[in-house]
This record gives sequence, C-alpha cells and structure tokens, in this order.
Amino acid sequence: KAGVTQTPRYLIKTRGQQVTLSCSPISGHRSVSWYQQTPGQGLQFLFEYFSETQRNKGNFPGRFSGRQFSNSRSEMNVSTLELGDSALYLCASSLLPGMNTEAFFGQGTRLTVV
Amino acid sequence: AQSVTQLDSQVPVFEEAPVELRCNYSSSVSVYLFWYVQYPNQGLQLLLKYLSGSTLVKSINGFEAEFNKSQTSFHLRKPSVHISDTAEYFCAVSLMDSSYKLIFGSGTRLLVRP
Repeated sequence: KAGVTQTPRYLIKTRGQQVTLSCSPISGHRSVSWYQQTPGQGLQFLFEYFSETQRNKGNFPGRFSGRQFSNSRSEMNVSTLELGDSALYLCASSLLPGMNTEAFFGQGTRLTVV
Repeated sequence: AQSVTQLDSQVPVFEEAPVELRCNYSSSVSVYLFWYVQYPNQGLQLLLKYLSGSTLVKSINGFEAEFNKSQTSFHLRKPSVHISDTAEYFCAVSLMDSSYKLIFGSGTRLLVRP
C-alpha cells in the first residue's frame, strides 16, 4: 500500500512568487491535513480537508490556501512568498476525520524562498 | 488554549542506557496524546498514542509512555536505547472532538552515542 506522496520534494522560489504543493493521500483516505515545520516555530497546523471541504484552519495569513479534489488529493498554495515561508511542509492523511484514527505523514516538501 | 511543552531540546545518552523524554500539556478539555518520531529528511511516524483505557501504552520497538492526568504528562521511556533510535521526537495533543488538528511540542532530539 503506497504511503502519502508529496510533490515536489524540494523547491526553490524567489520572494514574491507563488507556489503550489501537492499531496496524494493513502488510497481510501479522505481526510488531509497540512503542517508547516520551521526551526523557529516548530510544527504548526495549517488546515484540514475532508470531502473537499476545509473544516479547520490554523493561524496563518490568507496568502496560505488549499483545496481538496474529489479523489481526496490536496494542494496548498502560498502566494506572494516571503523569506519566512521557507519551511518543510508536511501533509498527513487519515481514513476519517478525528484523532481516534491514525494520521500518516508524507516525507514533506522542503520550500526555500530566496 | 492547548499547549505542549517538551522541556528538553536535546537528550544525549549512551547506547543500551535507559532514556526518558518528557512531555507536559495544558488543556481545558480532554485530549488525545501522541508521540511521533522524525528521522532526518523524513516525515513524521506515529510511535504511540493514548486515546482511552490503560494509561500505559507501548510501541512495537520498545518505547512506552504513561498518561498521567493529574500531572498532565505523557513521558516517553525506553529501558535500553539503540543507535538507530537517534531521531527527533515530538509529543502532540488533539482535542477529543471531530477537529483534526495536532498541537505539537517543540521536539526533543535524542542522540544515542556508542
């Protein structure tokens, strides 16, 4: 059974540009969440999707957005990139929402903003 | 608001020695508790979780954690560590509701020396 797949693994962008990251959950999983990991702030929740609906959003500016498709694949977009957006972005999938079901994480996309 | 505190940013230990990684949380409502492990350039892997029932939970690779409600702690222990246990360990909580949001501690780097 394939795990959570995040593409690309590495990305370098320039300040002011925008970026789109992709996450393919484990087959059959319908809930997808995104996290940002930085040395200074640690792991922070970005948003969660279930059945193409954003159900929960973390404390991030509107430049961070996402969506989920009917096949449960998810994308997150960051517009007008800032140096501080450099981070490892992690996606997690689970069968259903709710923390009594296990979350499986992808290897992440490392975004560097220069 | 909920928060998770991992007081030790790094714990050096010799191979085959016991180790304890500390985790304390703060929450006004009941929570689920988790330990995740992250190896270099990898995503997060669930190590163990406490949802309900027995307060002592164990992983397949020898780690265990005990939920202590009165002390709001969920410390991780292993009686004898291996070189391969070198990694970053994250304690996390989630509210006992349908929201799918993990709140992470800042992480503890376990460094096992020969």
